[in-house]
Amino acid sequence: GAVVSQHPSWVICKSGTSVKIECRSLDFQATTMFWYRQFPKQSLMLMATSNEGSKATYEQGVEKDKFLINHASLTLSTLTVTSAHPEDSSFYICSAIAAGGNQPQHFGDGTRLSIL
Amino acid sequence: GQQLNQSPQSMFIQEGEDVSMNCTSSSIFNTWLWYKQDPGEGPVLLIALYKAGELTSNGRLTAQFGITRKDSFLNISASIPSDVGIYFCAGQVYAGGTSYGKLTFGQGTILTVHP
Repeated sequence: GAVVSQHPSWVICKSGTSVKIECRSLDFQATTMFWYRQFPKQSLMLMATSNEGSKATYEQGVEKDKFLINHASLTLSTLTVTSAHPEDSSFYICSAIAAGGNQPQHFGDGTRLSIL
Repeated sequence: GQQLNQSPQSMFIQEGEDVSMNCTSSSIFNTWLWYKQDPGEGPVLLIALYKAGELTSNGRLTAQFGITRKDSFLNISASIPSDVGIYFCAGQVYAGGTSYGKLTFGQGTILTVHP
């Protein structure tokens, strides 16, 4: 149980392109989803917290207009990197928490984004 | 942002040896979690700890939630080559509002197992 699917697993695109990443909870309803960014050999850096039906809460230093988050249903959240540039290249990972108290976060397999 | 202090940063061991890693924090957490991450993949939950003093096992893995709620350790017994990866501890809070379920991660322990 508690499977989180992330798509696509990797993206290569030209500078200036907008890229959408999907995060789905396959066998549970996720009231809250999280988006992380990870650089090589480093820990996960939280970008934003996404609650179904409401605006995402962004961490300090993360540009909300650059990283658009939509959490339209209890099983789907999307992250759109708008007008991506080479410095946006990174490993992006989502996670989800099921409804109910004291639930752990379950992670997707990540998306490797490479901007040329 | 805040991070947990995880040690050691890396370990090089022989197959069959036992491994121990730990995390400490200045803050109290409701839950301690241990994840393993393989290259190019997302973290996979290994063990979740919910009560202070709790000792939980998952196969060859054993983890404990410190009495003070500010620390945790993970032990791996009789290591095998597939144990290779990065292990992260994480503290989770369930306070209301925007902090609900948020994780604070340790820096990670890179484990290398030589056959």
